[in-house]
Amino acid sequence: GQGVEQPAKLMSVEGTFARVNCTYSTSGFNGLSWYQQREGQAPVFLSYVVLDGLKDSGHFSTFLSRSNGYSYLLLTELQIKDSASYLCAVDSNYQLIWGSGTKLIIKP
Amino acid sequence: ETAVFQTPNYHVTQVGNEVSFNCKQTLGHDTMYWYKQDSKKLLKIMFSYNNKQLIVNETVPRRFSPQSSDKAHLNLRIKSVEPEDSAVYLCASSSWTGGFYAEQFFGPGTRLTVL
Repeated sequence: GQGVEQPAKLMSVEGTFARVNCTYSTSGFNGLSWYQQREGQAPVFLSYVVLDGLKDSGHFSTFLSRSNGYSYLLLTELQIKDSASYLCAVDSNYQLIWGSGTKLIIKP
Repeated sequence: ETAVFQTPNYHVTQVGNEVSFNCKQTLGHDTMYWYKQDSKKLLKIMFSYNNKQLIVNETVPRRFSPQSSDKAHLNLRIKSVEPEDSAVYLCASSSWTGGFYAEQFFGPGTRLTVL
């Protein structure tokens, strides 16, 4: 069946980096989105990737490997305010299939 | 202010009651969505409307129905709530581009608790 998988939790340290992984298995693939959702708040769009490789957007970068069904969101120079859940969603044949999100916990 | 607005923020009700949630967007978008987010944070799309026409209708129970008066409003009605309907309901909007790669803007959500 179709699915998007993400680890439930990830811990890192302020000032360092964190890599949030997303693997997917879908019948079609048009692209993949990343959203940030802080506790009790709405998801906020971060990035959309279609092509393989690394897309550098400063604080947030995204990587995609379509042949491996894999993407990651890379956050650099972590700040405490980056603590949130990060959701990936695959655009597949006019369906948007979401992962359950990874809760990123940042320690001082 | 341009954004997606939802009312109410919270709603507590009993099994069998009818509830209605409102959503309005002032972003000038032509597509709106309703999502259900469960306790594990998994988002599931329930409905989407493009220019007042239903374009995605997932296999949700029939007690759920979307209601739209124009492209800026999309309400959600639940005819007879059940305990498993307890969740956060998120409304979103985007510009229609033929797919989901358009950035979606979400409202703050309505948290429903069914006793």
